[in-house]
Amino acid sequence: GDSVTQMEGPVTLSEEACLTINCTYTATGYPSLFWYVQYPGEGLQLLLKATKADDKGSNKGFEATYRKETTSFHLEKGSVQVSDSAVYFCALSTGGGNKLTFGTGTQLKVEL
Amino acid sequence: EPEVTQTPSHQVTQMGQEVILRCVPISNHLYFYWYRQILGQKVEFLVSFYNNEISEKSEIFDDQFSVERPDGSNFTLKIRSTKLEDSAMYFCASRDSGLYEQYFGPGTRLTVT
Repeated sequence: GDSVTQMEGPVTLSEEACLTINCTYTATGYPSLFWYVQYPGEGLQLLLKATKADDKGSNKGFEATYRKETTSFHLEKGSVQVSDSAVYFCALSTGGGNKLTFGTGTQLKVEL
Repeated sequence: EPEVTQTPSHQVTQMGQEVILRCVPISNHLYFYWYRQILGQKVEFLVSFYNNEISEKSEIFDDQFSVERPDGSNFTLKIRSTKLEDSAMYFCASRDSGLYEQYFGPGTRLTVT
């Protein structure tokens, strides 16, 4: 079945450092890919998406590119802020927006 | 901006009791979902619902679970006889027709004692 693998956390960075959170997937068919973010005490917010190979999703300075050849969708940001501290979930869906399959989440802590 | 809402935010119940978790999806969305997240674990799919019927369900969604859209705005998840292992955060999500992304509510934390 479908699965998503994310790098283990927590990831601790200093403010203005570069961020990469790795995400790889296994899926039947051609999935749509997503990053969701969960701030402390809150629900899941859609951060960005990509629906076909080579698409780049971007939002709030975060980017991720759908790489079909490596089945990856790594999340990147050039300069993180303390306010980016949260748990980041990579997810996929197949079949035109059916159920989401999530990775285990990666906690990001950004310190001054 | 439209958002998904869920009530209650926290529910405490005794083992064996029935609970109903409520969700109000975004008003023009047609696809509805329930997920759960046991503390410290990944978010897991429970069920999807479209056109007044279940379109897909996971192995977790057994006979103890049911979903209903009782009116034009609410979407509910019922657990008939709760178990300790049902303790989790339950998220409702909705999706517009023709779009891929799902929008999540803030969740209901269910604690079974």
